[in-house]
Amino acid sequence: GQQLNQSPQSMFIQEGEDVSMNCTSSSIFNTWLWYKQDPGEGPVLLIALYKAGELTSNGRLTAQFGITRKDSFLNISASIPSDVGIYFCAGQGAETSGSRLTFGEGTQLTVNP
Amino acid sequence: DAMVIQNPRYQVTQFGKPVTLSCSQTLNHNVMYWYQQKSSQAPKLLFHYYDKDFNNEADTPDNFQSRRPNTSFCFLDIRSPGLGDAAMYLCATSRDWLARDTQYFGPGTRLTVL
Repeated sequence: GQQLNQSPQSMFIQEGEDVSMNCTSSSIFNTWLWYKQDPGEGPVLLIALYKAGELTSNGRLTAQFGITRKDSFLNISASIPSDVGIYFCAGQGAETSGSRLTFGEGTQLTVNP
Repeated sequence: DAMVIQNPRYQVTQFGKPVTLSCSQTLNHNVMYWYQQKSSQAPKLLFHYYDKDFNNEADTPDNFQSRRPNTSFCFLDIRSPGLGDAAMYLCATSRDWLARDTQYFGPGTRLTVL
């Protein structure tokens, strides 16, 4: 099925650094979601974006819904060791797909203390 | 409090031996989903229930079946597990089947096939 292009695939950073990851699509989405998945656990919703141009924060996390509705980014400021995990973007509401999610390939984040 | 619960968290089965995974939710959501996730990949949707209506993805093998006896519970049945079915199985729910209905995931069941 269709996937979003998510980059980078992996990141190795030092504690305290800022992180940025993004997703792009050839199709328009009505909703963009960012999930984090810890090893052996299910994805946990971090931020949901519903409107083109919307910029939303959740603690140290900030995400934006691109104006073209074809992209989104997630920033993490002042990273800490517990930020380690896989971050997935997901688009929703393309054409007639209802609440079906189209996932990016994921960004594996490693934070060195 | 846990909102989407999956049992067991770890399941070991033998090649060809039927296995059932369980999901329950306390959110009273109309839609329940089953995903398969293999290592280092994004979750892949197998099927979803909108209330009692079952919706199978076109590429989901016949080996995978599902039951939803009531709003709160949904089961994934793998009739004859193969080695390639070893994966994390995720259950998710959403309030409705609309483009703005957020999906909430359970913790997953890790299936091992011997």
